[in-house]
Amino acid sequence: EAAVTQSPRSKVAVTGGKVTLSCHQTNNHDYMYWYRQDTGHGLRLIHYSYVADSTEKGDIPDGYKASRPSQENFSLILELASLSQTAVYFCASSRQGDSQNTLYFGAGTRLSVL
Amino acid sequence: GDSVTQTEGLVTLTKGLPVMLNCTYQTTYSPFLFWYVQHLNEAPKLLLKSSTDNKRTEHQGFYATLHKSSSSFHLQKSSVQLSDSALYFCALSPRTNTGKLTFGDGTVLTVKP
Repeated sequence: EAAVTQSPRSKVAVTGGKVTLSCHQTNNHDYMYWYRQDTGHGLRLIHYSYVADSTEKGDIPDGYKASRPSQENFSLILELASLSQTAVYFCASSRQGDSQNTLYFGAGTRLSVL
Repeated sequence: GDSVTQTEGLVTLTKGLPVMLNCTYQTTYSPFLFWYVQHLNEAPKLLLKSSTDNKRTEHQGFYATLHKSSSSFHLQKSSVQLSDSALYFCALSPRTNTGKLTFGDGTVLTVKP
């Protein structure tokens, strides 16, 4: 079964430290996304990518960088973690040409910045 | 820009009763509407989707009808089960091939025995 795998599943980071969240998909999808979920709020798009070696800014990119070294892998990087970045982060993939835009999500990474 | 509004943050029901979770949206494009469901500690999964005006779509006992005249896509079920307890998101995508969804804040549905 096709899958999106995120690592780590949870992480505690210190303010000002660097954090890297990883995502690996076996869906053979071209499109990958990073969303953030805050308590009481919906999912908000941080960065996305249509093809390897290229990333695009989403709706809330400030404080985040993304890297897509291959079709299967998509990382989210917090160079200087801040308290406000405490949240649950979801990676997702979708099929190129899928005009109905169905997203397949990973299980999420719970990040706590102290 | 695009927006999705879910008016109920929390809905608590007794097993066997009907439920309707509200979803309205704003967009200047011709939209796709989605309902995603997220069970505790799991990934969000697609429940329903539609882009056809006034056509009911169903899956796993849930159903919704996109009404473009009222910009609504309410989720309904005639008889909720304990296993339906979850977080439900309504989401909107313009009819483009980007996967860039705009999500509502979500509704937590809790079903009691």
